[in-house]
Amino acid sequence: SQTIHQWPATLVQPVGSPLSLECTVEGTSNPNLYWYRQAAGRGLQLLFYSVGIGQISSEVPQNLSASRPQDRQFILSSKKLLLSDSGFYLCAWSPGRGFVDTQYFGPGTRLTVL
Amino acid sequence: ILNVEQSPQSLHVQEGDSTNFTCSFPSSNFYALHWYRWETAKSPEALFVMTLNGDEKKKGRISATLNTKEGYSYLYIKGSQPEDSATYLCAFGAGNMLTFGGGTRLMVKP
Repeated sequence: SQTIHQWPATLVQPVGSPLSLECTVEGTSNPNLYWYRQAAGRGLQLLFYSVGIGQISSEVPQNLSASRPQDRQFILSSKKLLLSDSGFYLCAWSPGRGFVDTQYFGPGTRLTVL
Repeated sequence: ILNVEQSPQSLHVQEGDSTNFTCSFPSSNFYALHWYRWETAKSPEALFVMTLNGDEKKKGRISATLNTKEGYSYLYIKGSQPEDSATYLCAFGAGNMLTFGGGTRLMVKP
């Protein structure tokens, strides 16, 4: 069966510091991978998605970047965090086949920028 | 930008009450409508995916209906239990992409 891991679970960082959040998927190959953010009081906002190694699409211009160095690894980064980057970050994967593609979510990372 | 709306934003019910909430989405270029349940401190869990107008799906006490022509879906919970307390998200699916609504937060009091 497939599993998805995210770490760290929680993170408190000062403004201006760098960020690296990691997501890995097991039990599948060539998945689509996604990064979402839920800011306080808001819904899930898609940040990035990837259909393959090195292929990243950004949905929202922002202070963040994403990379996919390996088939089942997705990394969310920032060089300098802003207060507005605080939120709950979720990674998800989908099989990437067909027009109806359920996404499966990881446990998330709670990021607080002070 | 797709507009996916959910109502109400939050709902408090007593144990045993039945309840329902709404998801509205664009009725053109429809592919799929997904429902997720997101419990506190857990990952969002896929409940249903519906693709055809008039679709009705059921999982235990939870069911969902779909009207693609008018662009809405209802989620019903029969005889709510405290363990049903969660945020229920709908998402408009188009190929690889999901656009989520803001969610309905359900709290069931024992």
